[in-house]
Amino acid sequence: GQNIDQPTEMTATEGAIVQINCTYQTSGFNGLFWYQQHAGEAPTFLSYNVLDGLEEKGRFSSFLSRSKGYSYLLLKELQMKDSASYLCAAMDSNYQLIWGAGTKLIIKP
Amino acid sequence: GAVVSQHPSRVICKSGTSVKIECRSLDFQATTMFWYRQFPKQSLMLMATSNEGSKATYEQGVEKDKFLINHASLTLSTLTVTSAHPEDSSFYICSARDFYRENQPQHFGDGTRLSIL
Repeated sequence: GQNIDQPTEMTATEGAIVQINCTYQTSGFNGLFWYQQHAGEAPTFLSYNVLDGLEEKGRFSSFLSRSKGYSYLLLKELQMKDSASYLCAAMDSNYQLIWGAGTKLIIKP
Repeated sequence: GAVVSQHPSRVICKSGTSVKIECRSLDFQATTMFWYRQFPKQSLMLMATSNEGSKATYEQGVEKDKFLINHASLTLSTLTVTSAHPEDSSFYICSARDFYRENQPQHFGDGTRLSIL
């Protein structure tokens, strides 16, 4: 079956770095997406990886290893506003997104 | 700016009322739109995939007669919650995918918070 695993909750300190891991199993693969969702709001797109390696976008970076079925989202210089849920989603061969349950990130001063 | 518009953003109504939610793609054609439901502190749950010009595909456990989906044009899908009851209270979110960019991100609407009294 298709499955996405990511930690339920993580805590980090303002100004620090945090890495949110995601492993996936899908029928075919057309890319890995990361979304940010603040409480009570819709998800917003953060990053997309389809090739192995690291994609950097400001304070956020995303990594993919297709052979390992693994991705991570790296957040640097954490700010209080980064407190949110981070959703990992893999796109299968039918271009359908398979969603993880989300990782709630708590930032402490 | 927003590429997917969802209305209304909030609805409060009495039990038994039917509620229609609209989802529009603003600057691209979307043959496929997705309807999600999210209960407090839970993950996104895909309810159905809306296909332009054909019947929607519903996920297991979602009543198609309860949640009516119409996708009459390449830029508009509607979800109607028929005879809503308090247990239907939830956050409903739509997303759309650019017809010409299947492997690109889904764009989400801002969501509709539905409260049934």
